[in-house]
Amino acid sequence: ILNVEQSPQSLHVQEGDSTNFTCSFPSSNFYALHWYRWETAKSPEALFVMTLNGDEKKKGRISATLNTKEGYSYLYIKGSQPEDSATYLCASNTYGNNRLAFGKGNQVVVIP
Amino acid sequence: DGGITQSPKYLFRKEGQNVTLSCEQNLNHDAMYWYRQDPGQGLRLIYYSQIVNDFQKGDIAEGYSVSREKKESFPLTVTSAQKNPTAFYLCASSMYRQPNTEAFFGQGTRLTVV
Repeated sequence: ILNVEQSPQSLHVQEGDSTNFTCSFPSSNFYALHWYRWETAKSPEALFVMTLNGDEKKKGRISATLNTKEGYSYLYIKGSQPEDSATYLCASNTYGNNRLAFGKGNQVVVIP
Repeated sequence: DGGITQSPKYLFRKEGQNVTLSCEQNLNHDAMYWYRQDPGQGLRLIYYSQIVNDFQKGDIAEGYSVSREKKESFPLTVTSAQKNPTAFYLCASSMYRQPNTEAFFGQGTRLTVV
């Protein structure tokens, strides 16, 4: 079982502030790192899938980086808005394997 | 619209009864998955299937069974052998042999066993 850890488990952010959180994963035999956003009463939706060390991806005010050598990824939210309130899931899989191992998620609440 | 559909959204069953959760996708994905979520836990893999008529146990398969007779469908049966079946169940699908592509999720089924 791949051990994927996310921290902090939950955080409250004032509207307009920027924030970031961490996902750590086993670096051996690494293939891909996924980030999903899961809003209440909806399905998880993919934000990013990254495979290469040093990858940086951006979607609007949300961006992510990847360090495969040390086994971590950061997710950044710039200028948080109430609609960013969600649980952000990180998942990893190993080479050639579709199985995704998920962390417990980062629950973000943006306070207006 | 392409997507993945789970039904029902809420399900109540008496202890000792088997129950089947439905998952259908029209994304032409080969791989399908069942996850379980409990409070304070991440998504845990129950079973997955990479092609029709084939499936593998995930990390917590005991007390569950699946079938994959059609590409579009991957039903999950929660049997009476599952000791703690009350949970939120999520189905997902993805392209096979492309682990760098995203997974698509259904909206989930909340099962309560009384």
